[in-house]
Amino acid sequence: GAVVSQHPSWVICKSGTSVKIECRSLDFQATTMFWYRQFPKQSLMLMATSNEGSKATYEQGVEKDKFLINHASLTLSTLTVTSAHPEDSSFYICSVPGGVWASGDTQYFGPGTRLTVL
Amino acid sequence: DAKTTQPPSMDCAEGRAANLPCNHSTISGNEYVYWYRQIHSQGPQYIIHGLKNNETNEMASLIITEDRKSSTLILPHATLRDTAVYYCIVRNAGNMLTFGGGTRLMVKP
Repeated sequence: GAVVSQHPSWVICKSGTSVKIECRSLDFQATTMFWYRQFPKQSLMLMATSNEGSKATYEQGVEKDKFLINHASLTLSTLTVTSAHPEDSSFYICSVPGGVWASGDTQYFGPGTRLTVL
Repeated sequence: DAKTTQPPSMDCAEGRAANLPCNHSTISGNEYVYWYRQIHSQGPQYIIHGLKNNETNEMASLIITEDRKSSTLILPHATLRDTAVYYCIVRNAGNMLTFGGGTRLMVKP
């Protein structure tokens, strides 16, 4: 399966600051990556789809101006949480399709980034 | 919407088979059944997926009923490291994975 890394694995920041989270596909190129968020004791919720060479598509209720996504290359997508507030504290996870997503292949997930906003 | 129903929790004795059920009565013909698990504070780990036929890999077996309205994930010899939340997900080609509540499996010594 695909190997996906995230950086940092955890971050603590002050309210009002911005935080950038990186997601890298280490062993193949990905035109699409996905960003999920998971609050404590809850399931994963899809936030947005990152598209290489075009704008990200956001799920309903996710503020695109607050969660900036840049698919810089075929192996890197970044999620920037702008003007973070304590309610943004969560576990952020990215995933990469393991092949041609439309063909029924699977997604491989990164290890996640724990964000704590003080 | 998750489209699947799973028991919230299950226990299993170490070394025994863990059988995790999933109901997906509204599944359509081109939708796959996927299983992932999430160990505490880690990203989800892919386990197995299938469309119609039963599937087996080095981690688990997936048994899908003939009418495809339910399935069972089987971990043949559960270990303590298999303690995790197991997610059963139905998706069709091109659609996103939608995670439900999953089953919290506790493997006990």
